[in-house]
Amino acid sequence: AQSVSQHNHHVILSEAASLELGCNYSYGGTVNLFWYVQYPGQHLQLLLKYFSGDPLVKGIKGFEAEFIKSKFSFNLRKPSVQWSDTAEYFCAVKGGSYIPTFGRGTSLIVHP
Amino acid sequence: NAGVTQTPKFQVLKTGQSMTLQCAQDMNHNSMYWYRQDPGMGLRLIYYSASEGTTDKGEVPNGYNVSRLNKREFSLRLESAAPSQTSVYFCASSDIDREGQPQHFGDGTRLSIL
Repeated sequence: AQSVSQHNHHVILSEAASLELGCNYSYGGTVNLFWYVQYPGQHLQLLLKYFSGDPLVKGIKGFEAEFIKSKFSFNLRKPSVQWSDTAEYFCAVKGGSYIPTFGRGTSLIVHP
Repeated sequence: NAGVTQTPKFQVLKTGQSMTLQCAQDMNHNSMYWYRQDPGMGLRLIYYSASEGTTDKGEVPNGYNVSRLNKREFSLRLESAAPSQTSVYFCASSDIDREGQPQHFGDGTRLSIL
């Protein structure tokens, strides 16, 4: 069975700080990986995805993530966060099942 | 192109009342899903429908029923609402036939059971 773990539950940063959110998954085969963002009061929106090819994936709004197969990880990064990045971030993995499994989410607060 | 549309956006119910949450998608997706989102729990799958005419239980199906009315619509019914069902409910759809396809989510229904 597939599973995903997000280690950081709450992250507080100041504007211009760098961001890295951890995501580790458990599944022995080929996976599709996703990061979603949920702004306050809104629905989940896709930030970026990986399904094959270059393990460094670039998404919207300056976010990127790196798939490291040996570490079963897909960490989300942004060099310089903005106040508008305040949101909840969810990692998701889709392996043998076509239904993705979501992590519990990381709440990011960026202070201006 | 509206994507995934959920109604209602907010609802307050009394314990024991019933109601149906509606979801429709206009992307011609085969698969549709119902999730509930609770603080610290992330998204938990209630039911899903791989294609028109099929439905299957997810992680937390107890207390809920679903109907895949046609390819566009997937409704979630609470037969006898309980306070533990207070949550934000999200409907999603996806095209499972293409590798790497993400889910598309509706705006959610905020449901409070008193």
